[in-house]
Amino acid sequence: QKEVEQDPGPLSVPEGAIVSLNCTYSNSAFQYFMWYRQYSRKGPELLMYTYSSGNKEDGRFTAQVDKSSKYISLFIRDSQPSDSATYLCAMSRSGGSYIPTFGRGTSLIVHP
Amino acid sequence: SQTIHQWPATLVQPVGSPLSLECTVEGTSNPNLYWYRQAAGRGLQLLFYSVGIGQISSEVPQNLSASRPQDRQFILSSKKLLLSDSGFYLCAWGTPSTFGSGTRLTVV
Repeated sequence: QKEVEQDPGPLSVPEGAIVSLNCTYSNSAFQYFMWYRQYSRKGPELLMYTYSSGNKEDGRFTAQVDKSSKYISLFIRDSQPSDSATYLCAMSRSGGSYIPTFGRGTSLIVHP
Repeated sequence: SQTIHQWPATLVQPVGSPLSLECTVEGTSNPNLYWYRQAAGRGLQLLFYSVGIGQISSEVPQNLSASRPQDRQFILSSKKLLLSDSGFYLCAWGTPSTFGSGTRLTVV
């Protein structure tokens, strides 16, 4: 079993839909959770960064962490065609090692 | 503000040729630096990371090497490229990481 599991998709939704992207993980030592957006042929850009459990909201994006279930989610409200990209989750342990472990990424397509 | 520069953007190299990819960071000191490779349809594979000048940790034994000659400079090298070295190479710094724009390497 991989440390971080993420469905590669593609996930295709109509414009305006609420999108839910998810990752599961097996290492209970993970404390920091990140979501990145990556457009084709570009480097990933950080969208959300959360510590431990709970929710964090930034505009149309909400990140949710459920450590008891080892499950994290990214919700996108009022999705736009410009949201079409690959979304990667990442997580890392607290303490001396901050090297993140990445999921494979989920390809999202928002069609007009 | 912090910025990261990575070049070249694309590269086509013959099998057996050498490789040198460079990454520099501005606006910060003593950053943790990372080299990743991303194959088509696959996730990010950590190749090397560095916590300081001359300190390199290798995550995957392979045909590549890395060096950090200066605090904000990270170089990925190979003496002889293989076809399997093709991919999208990304440099990153810090945690959470900020990524460069990537180098798409095709070995032919």
